[in-house]
Amino acid sequence: AQKVTQAQTEISVVEKEDVTLDCVYETRDTTYYLFWYKQPPSGELVFLIRRNSFDEQNEISGRYSWNFQKSTSSFNFTITASQVVDSAVYFCALRPDRGSTLGRLYFGRGTQLTVWP
Amino acid sequence: DVKVTQSSRYLVKRTGEKVFLECVQDMDHENMFWYRQDPGLGLRLIYFSYDVKMKEKGDIPEGYSVSREKKERFSLILESASTNQTSMYLCASTENRESRPQHFGDGTRLSIL
Repeated sequence: AQKVTQAQTEISVVEKEDVTLDCVYETRDTTYYLFWYKQPPSGELVFLIRRNSFDEQNEISGRYSWNFQKSTSSFNFTITASQVVDSAVYFCALRPDRGSTLGRLYFGRGTQLTVWP
Repeated sequence: DVKVTQSSRYLVKRTGEKVFLECVQDMDHENMFWYRQDPGLGLRLIYFSYDVKMKEKGDIPEGYSVSREKKERFSLILESASTNQTSMYLCASTENRESRPQHFGDGTRLSIL
């Protein structure tokens, strides 16, 4: 079975605080891909990052960083020095690497992040 | 840039009506998807398609059907709309390669009265 859990339903922080969004996944596939998407109030899901199961290097992109740990089946997302524009719903998703799933994603339920000025 | 276009941003229909939600992508993607998004439930997959005239059920296909007559267009059909189908509907597309992300449209907020 494929499953993604985002235990944090809502998080509120004040601008300039650091915040980490948790993502835990379950899969029996040895090869898979993990994604993070951002959904601002306008509604469109925006792709942020992709990570494959063989690459456990952490990644940093500006104020965003991602920590992938296979040992704990986690793919956490940290925003450093948060800004009001970071307010959005963030989704973590899993894509097994098998032809039968045809590229479908398994989404977590999302974390609503609110950054207050 | 990939563009996924959903025909309506907001739609209001009545119970029992047949409702069509249209989605068009401009990048020749093989795979297309329809999700619904409800508060607290995240995105749930309704149907997806990997080729023209091919379709697969997702996790919640009941009450819906789909049509893919052309590669770029994927339609979601509510055969007889009911109030519990009031939701945000999101269309996505992707290449048929394992690492490619899905690209999403802006969504259609559908209200069934």
